[in-house]
Parts: sequence; structure tokens; C-alpha cells
Amino acid sequence: QQQVKQSPQSLIVQKGGISIINCAYENTAFDYFPWYQQFPGKGPALLIAIRPDVSEKKEGRFTISFNKSAKQFSLHIMDSQPGDSATYFCAASSTSGYSTLTFGKGTMLLVSP
Amino acid sequence: DTEVTQTPKHLVMGMTNKKSLKCEQHMGHRAMYWYKQKAKKPPELMFVYSYEKLSINESVPSRFSPECPNSSLLNLHLHALQPEDSALYLCASSQDHGGYGYTFGSGTRLTVV
Repeated sequence: QQQVKQSPQSLIVQKGGISIINCAYENTAFDYFPWYQQFPGKGPALLIAIRPDVSEKKEGRFTISFNKSAKQFSLHIMDSQPGDSATYFCAASSTSGYSTLTFGKGTMLLVSP
Repeated sequence: DTEVTQTPKHLVMGMTNKKSLKCEQHMGHRAMYWYKQKAKKPPELMFVYSYEKLSINESVPSRFSPECPNSSLLNLHLHALQPEDSALYLCASSQDHGGYGYTFGSGTRLTVV
């Protein structure tokens, strides 16, 4: 089974700091890379996503950086806030044909006040 | 309407009970999914329906029985579950079965006693 490897498993960042979560994939057919944010007791919510034709995508305080040659992508959360404390999952899929999301194992982020 | 609605939010059932989980979306999405999520783990795909037909069954035990009555509804019938089946059950939908643009519901927290 094609995997998406995510690190770190957990992360503690001070308020105002930068949170960085990294993912690596193997399947070169993947062409869609979303990040999901999940709060306890809730379902995952799409945070931001990128396709491999761009190297960076920014939405507010959230930025995805994408390195196609290295098959790696990362999520940067600028000016991290306590409300950002959640579990973050990277994922990947192929948008052609029948495909489903392949999730990373998740990163528990705690932003300390 | 941009939501996936799941009911009930919480369910406690005995190992001899029969119960059903319900999922509803009105976004016109033609692919719907059932996921199982254990604590501190990523969602694990169980079933995929595409255009109301079961397209993927990830070797799920027969005590879980999915049903798609129409393009907006997805049910998961539960019978003779085991305590290890206790988990958060998530429903998701997407425009089509192409690994893109998933919307997740908030889930049903299932406890088997």
C-alpha cells in the first residue's frame, strides 16, 4: 500500500511561533495534497490543499510548501495560536480514475499560551 | 448546504444489538465514504459508494453492512459488534470518486459494551 509518512508525531509550539509539519510520499501518481485539521470529537476539516504544478500555496497563516523532486510537502502555521491546537493530517491522492485519500499518521499540535 | 450530517452523534450498543448510523449530504456529491477512526490514528477507509453503487469494500467484516438508498443518503448497519469496534465512525462525500474535495461529517462516537 502506498504510504504518506508524516512527522513529527507531536509538536509543542509557543504562541506566536511557527509550526512546521512535514510529509513525504512515494506514489508518483499522487497529484493532490490536502491538509486536514481535526479537533477532538469532530471530523477532519479541509484546511488547505495543493497540486504539484505549484511549489507554494498560502491561505492566511497557513502555507503549504511542495517539493516535487523530493516528493515532500509541508505545512507551515505562522503566528501559531492556542486555537490552532489540534491534530493535523496530511493526505495525498490521485485525481484521475478511482482513487481515495491516503492519510499520514497525524501530528498532534499544542500551542502553549 | 455544504455539510455532511451524521446521526446519531453518540451510540452505545451491546454486542447482540442491531443499530444503524446515518449520513446525509445535499451538495450533489456522487461519492460517499465510511471511515473508522481510532484514537490518535488517521481515518481508515471502510467503504466507498460511487453513484449509489458500492465500489470499494476494504475487507470489512460482515457485521458492518453499508447501504446507499439514494444519492444523498448513506447508512451503516451494525450487528453483533465487538468491543474493539468502538471508534469514531466518519462519513465523507466528494464530487466524484477521484480523491479530491472530501467533506467529512462530525462522526458518530460508537461504544460497544
